[in-house]
Amino acid sequence: GAGVSQSPSNKVTEKGKDVELRCDPISGHTALYWYRQSLGQGLEFLIYFQGNSAPDKSGLPSDRFSAERTGGSVSTLTIQRTQQEDSAVYLCASSWGKGETQYFGPGTRLLVL
Amino acid sequence: QKEVEQDPGPLSVPEGAIVSLNCTYSNSAFQYFMWYRQYSRKGPELLMYTYSSGNKEDGRFTAQVDKSSKYISLFIRDSQPSDSATYLCAMDTSGGSYIPTFGRGTSLIVHP
Repeated sequence: GAGVSQSPSNKVTEKGKDVELRCDPISGHTALYWYRQSLGQGLEFLIYFQGNSAPDKSGLPSDRFSAERTGGSVSTLTIQRTQQEDSAVYLCASSWGKGETQYFGPGTRLLVL
Repeated sequence: QKEVEQDPGPLSVPEGAIVSLNCTYSNSAFQYFMWYRQYSRKGPELLMYTYSSGNKEDGRFTAQVDKSSKYISLFIRDSQPSDSATYLCAMDTSGGSYIPTFGRGTSLIVHP
């Protein structure tokens, strides 16, 4: 079956612009996670959704970052007024439920010039 | 000090070698230990999953956990060029925190 998909696969933007990153989880997975992976760094947790609600937003690095999930499926991560330090790979994962095995998408490579 | 330490490498070995990948950690509450494999320009995929101390074997892969030393290892026997990837360890506490703490990943290169 289809895995987790993310779009775009690559995004180049100018400093100060807003970007939207999309994640399509595996069908039926209720839990969805966003991570950030910077060069040479481990995965940095950003936010977790159970259904459409986000009980844990503790990883969002600033108020420029926001995310939503609609219909218990697709999620969008929005970064406003992008900064160069936002350049990273943004990974989405989904699972059947809290604590279950996470399946990752291929990521969106964001470069802020 | 980071909660999970992992040498980023790269680790370069000849085909057929036994590979040892390791992580150390500081949080004694970690009970679940995972290894993910990440190929270039792909997302991580779960390779091995162990609970508490001991060994777990799956084909050419063996995961080992030593909670007394706060040290985990992944061994790859008869390594193949297709094993070339970044290997990330990840750990979670009991009680379902659901957000594992990941290491930085070790880049492995298996050359023919």
